[in-house]
Amino acid sequence: NAGVTQTPKFQVLKTGQSMTLQCAQDMNHNSMYWYRQDPGMGLRLIYYSASEGTTDKGEVPNGYNVSRLNKREFSLRLESAAPSQTSVYFCASSVVSWYEQYFGPGTRLTVT
Amino acid sequence: AQSVTQLDSQVPVFEEAPVELRCNYSSSVSVYLFWYVQYPNQGLQLLLKYLSGSTLVKGINGFEAEFNKSQTSFHLRKPSVHISDTAEYFCAVASSGEYGNKLVFGAGTILRVKS
Repeated sequence: NAGVTQTPKFQVLKTGQSMTLQCAQDMNHNSMYWYRQDPGMGLRLIYYSASEGTTDKGEVPNGYNVSRLNKREFSLRLESAAPSQTSVYFCASSVVSWYEQYFGPGTRLTVT
Repeated sequence: AQSVTQLDSQVPVFEEAPVELRCNYSSSVSVYLFWYVQYPNQGLQLLLKYLSGSTLVKGINGFEAEFNKSQTSFHLRKPSVHISDTAEYFCAVASSGEYGNKLVFGAGTILRVKS
């Protein structure tokens, strides 16, 4: 099992560019999450999907959109990147929404 | 609002010394508690979890944590740390209703082990 995989690992964007971060899990989990991690601020939830077909906003959803493509895949889109979106992005999944989460290796995004 | 508080942002400790990383949460209902570790430039991995039963929980790499319901705490301990334990540690809390059906993470504690 690969667990949770994320692509790309690194990305540099210019302000205003768009991109999609991909996440996939092979553990048959129902729930999936997108977090951003910034120095001194811990993990902040951007969006989550409690089950296939549903998505909900987290703590910091502005500037992002998500798609739960199927049970395995959950993508995060930046429509018009801003320097404030420079961060490390983590995808995670869990069997059910209140249970332990398994994390991907992260995507380091720099917006110049 | 429900919250998870990790009382120390950084904890320096010498190799082979004991360590305690503190975590308090606010909740009046049954909770599920987790500790995660993040090594530099990696994702988070689960160290241990408390769901029910014995309040002393043992995890990987010699770590353990004790659930104290009256103090609403879930402190992480290790009797003798190694250089390789240098990492950031996150406490997380969930309940089926009060936290909105998802995990809530603390801000993290950086453990620095010195030789």
